[in-house]
Amino acid sequence: AQTVTQSQPEMSVQEAETVTLSCTYDTSENNYYLFWYKQPPSRQMILVIRQEAYKQQNATENRFSVNFQKAAKSFSLKISDSQLGDTAMYFCAFMSWSGNQFYFGTGTSLTVIP
Amino acid sequence: ETGVTQTPRHLVMGMTNKKSLKCEQHLGHNAMYWYKQSAKKPLELMFVYSLEERVENNSVPSRFSPECPNSSHLFLHLHTLQPEDSALYLCASSQAGTAGGSYGYTFGSGTRLTVV
Repeated sequence: AQTVTQSQPEMSVQEAETVTLSCTYDTSENNYYLFWYKQPPSRQMILVIRQEAYKQQNATENRFSVNFQKAAKSFSLKISDSQLGDTAMYFCAFMSWSGNQFYFGTGTSLTVIP
Repeated sequence: ETGVTQTPRHLVMGMTNKKSLKCEQHLGHNAMYWYKQSAKKPLELMFVYSLEERVENNSVPSRFSPECPNSSHLFLHLHTLQPEDSALYLCASSQAGTAGGSYGYTFGSGTRLTVV
């Protein structure tokens, strides 16, 4: 079974600085999708960024980028120029190529300090 | 406006009560999901409805009963719950069966359930 591990329960960063959130996963599949979701205090889970495993190029979305290391099964999220609105829980998630089921990590609580 | 709306936002119920959670999506998706979110645990998939048919229930206790009358609406009926069922219940939708599912799910804001 696929598992997703986020080893940092809590992190903090100064406003305007850069922070990296870690995620590792375990799978025997060769093709799959990886996601980072953000859950602010409003509770709604918002898609931040998506990576297709067959693409070597790391995905980027404005201030958010990933470091995808397929061989190491690592999928970290880098947030540049951190803003107060980035304060939230961040969940890493794995989706298999063939199915629609998600496997989520336990989340990292990120606090941006003014 | 996210496209997936959940009501109520908060619910407090006794162990002998019967209540229902409602989820509605306006995205034209054909699959809907119920997830349970507890502190310091991964999201737990409870039920999947794809094309209005339940495809998985993940051994969820029978005190939780889902209903999907059409592709836009999903309910979770609750009865004789236990205090350990207190959690955030999230609804999500996706376009199953096509590459659209690989773009992830769209989530609602959840119902915070407290069982007393």
